[in-house]
Amino acid sequence: DAKTTQPTSMDCAEGRAANLPCNHSTISGNEYVYWYRQIHSQGPQYIIHGLKNNETNEMASLIITEDRKSSTLILPHATLRDTAVYYCIAKGYNAGNMLTFGGGTRLMVKP
Amino acid sequence: GAVVSQHPSWVICKSGTSVKIECRSLDFQATTMFWYRQFPKQSLMLMATSNEGSKATYEQGVEKDKFLINHASLTLSTLTVTSAHPEDSSFYICSARGAGGIAYEQYFGPGTRLTVT
Repeated sequence: DAKTTQPTSMDCAEGRAANLPCNHSTISGNEYVYWYRQIHSQGPQYIIHGLKNNETNEMASLIITEDRKSSTLILPHATLRDTAVYYCIAKGYNAGNMLTFGGGTRLMVKP
Repeated sequence: GAVVSQHPSWVICKSGTSVKIECRSLDFQATTMFWYRQFPKQSLMLMATSNEGSKATYEQGVEKDKFLINHASLTLSTLTVTSAHPEDSSFYICSARGAGGIAYEQYFGPGTRLTVT
């Protein structure tokens, strides 16, 4: 799995968009970018994943740069309940091995 | 999405005793289960991977005789912390995946907080 680098922490005002960056400069062609989040004292929750096209679902949008070396997770209207640690993972699509987690970004949504 | 449960959600035990944590896949058959451990303000660290009916594979540095993992059925895996010590106090999270599951189809339980006094 390619190494990912994320800022340690970020703040966001409630109601504003939260943009969480992730660097994965060594990502290989068959590796997807996955985003999970972990709310305090809970298990990780899947958010979204993508290969090279931008993706959107009911939770978030994922913007992947054309060279695929970085991506941004966007929470369009952050709420206090979005306060969590967000993990960006670069991994092949097939099952293979387990998900491994780096340090993630601790997002604090403030009123 | 698929649901994974853990029991208990929290447990307090005395040093030297053993404690068992159960992980269940409620609506799918989990051919592979993973156990993670998370210390305060740290990321999840994989402890072991188990396939149904096989012995678990432990990550380097994890004592297999201390952390006993049983994956006897397609819906249940257990982690037993034997002779627990205060340094084993942590948040234990299980995760499960079905046969042929793709990477993001690894579903996580809510975690079990273990405190050893």
